[in-house]
Parts: sequence; structure tokens; C-alpha cells
Amino acid sequence: SQTIHQWPATLVQPVGSPLSLECTVEGTSNPNLYWYRQAAGRGLQLLFYSVGIGQISSEVPQNLSASRPQDRQFILSSKKLLLSDSGFYLCARRRAGGRTDTQYFGPGTRLTVL
Amino acid sequence: GENVEQHPSTLSVQEGDSAVIKCTYSDSASNYFPWYKQELGKGPQLIIDIRSNVGEKKDQRIAVTLNKTAKHFSLHITETQPEDSAVYFCAASKGYSTLTFGKGTMLLVSP
Repeated sequence: SQTIHQWPATLVQPVGSPLSLECTVEGTSNPNLYWYRQAAGRGLQLLFYSVGIGQISSEVPQNLSASRPQDRQFILSSKKLLLSDSGFYLCARRRAGGRTDTQYFGPGTRLTVL
Repeated sequence: GENVEQHPSTLSVQEGDSAVIKCTYSDSASNYFPWYKQELGKGPQLIIDIRSNVGEKKDQRIAVTLNKTAKHFSLHITETQPEDSAVYFCAASKGYSTLTFGKGTMLLVSP
């Protein structure tokens, strides 16, 4: 199976603190990986995507950054969290092979910034 | 870039009724249209998808229709059940690119 793991599941952080969210994928090599944020329980905002190790594309300029140190690992970071960074963070991967952009999502990380 | 509009934002139905959610897209080059279901506190789950060379696709109680000329596609759920209650998202892409999502529809099925 091509499972997506996200860690941690929930996180409460003070404003100004650093952030590191981890996404790992099993069962597939060199997947396209994505970070989304979902605020207010509704829309999905694409933050970053990666087509390979060290290759990161940013969709929305902000105080977040992403890194892909290993083929199956995608990390979302921040040096100083803002209140507006609260939300549900989702990691996704593109389906291996095929000609469509099918994406499968992980279980998500609920981040609350106080 | 692509823009996907989704309606309605909230839909309430009685158990056993049908539910229809509609999406429109702006980029005529888009050729792939998935639908996701998101239950509270969980990641979205792919429930059905359609490619632009197909007009309709069914999977048990759910179906998706696509009108390329009008640039809109719809999700149809028949014989709704309380467990169908969730937020549903449509999306569009042009292939080997990113997905553009609609803002979601909260479906509430009352017993």
C-alpha cells in the first residue's frame, strides 16, 4: 500500500515559536508530494509541492518553508509562528504512474497557535 | 490560472433523497476532475474521478457527470444515508500539474 503518515496529529504552539511538521510516505519511490493548509474547516490551500529530493515549489509566499531531505519525507517548517498559521495541515502524494493528477491525502496535523 | 467554483456551500437532505453538488471550471485545458469526501477531523478521501474523454461515471450510489462545453461537472449521490454527511470537494487539473480545489460543500443527511 502507499500509506501517508503525518506527525504529530495535533499540536498547540505559542506565537513566535518554531514549527516542524513531518510527512512520510510508504510504498512508492520518488512521489510528487504536497502540503496543503485548511483553515476554518473548509477550503484547501496548496502551500508547497515537491517533485523530488531538494526540489520545492512554493505556491503562497508566507512565513512557512518546506524541505524534502529524503525521497519519501516532506517537512513543513516555520521559524516564528503567527496566529494566522493555525489550521489543519495536510500532506498529499500524487498517484504513482498514470496520466492523471490523482492525489491521496494523509490524516492531517491540527495546529493551534495561541 | 484555473478557477473552480463549487455550489452550494451547504446542502441539507433527508435520508433516502438524492444530493447534487455542482462545480464549474475556467480553464478549457483541464482534463481531470476528482471528487473528495472529508469527514470531520480527517484527510480528504478520493471517492470518484472523471477524465475529459468521458461524460459520465458511476460507482454504486455516486456518479459524476461532465459537460466540457459548458465547463461544469457535478456529483450525484442517490439514496443518501447519514454516513454520507461530510464536506465534499471538487477539483480540476490539466495533467502533470497541481489540482485546483473548489471551496467545498457541507452535506448534511438527516435520518
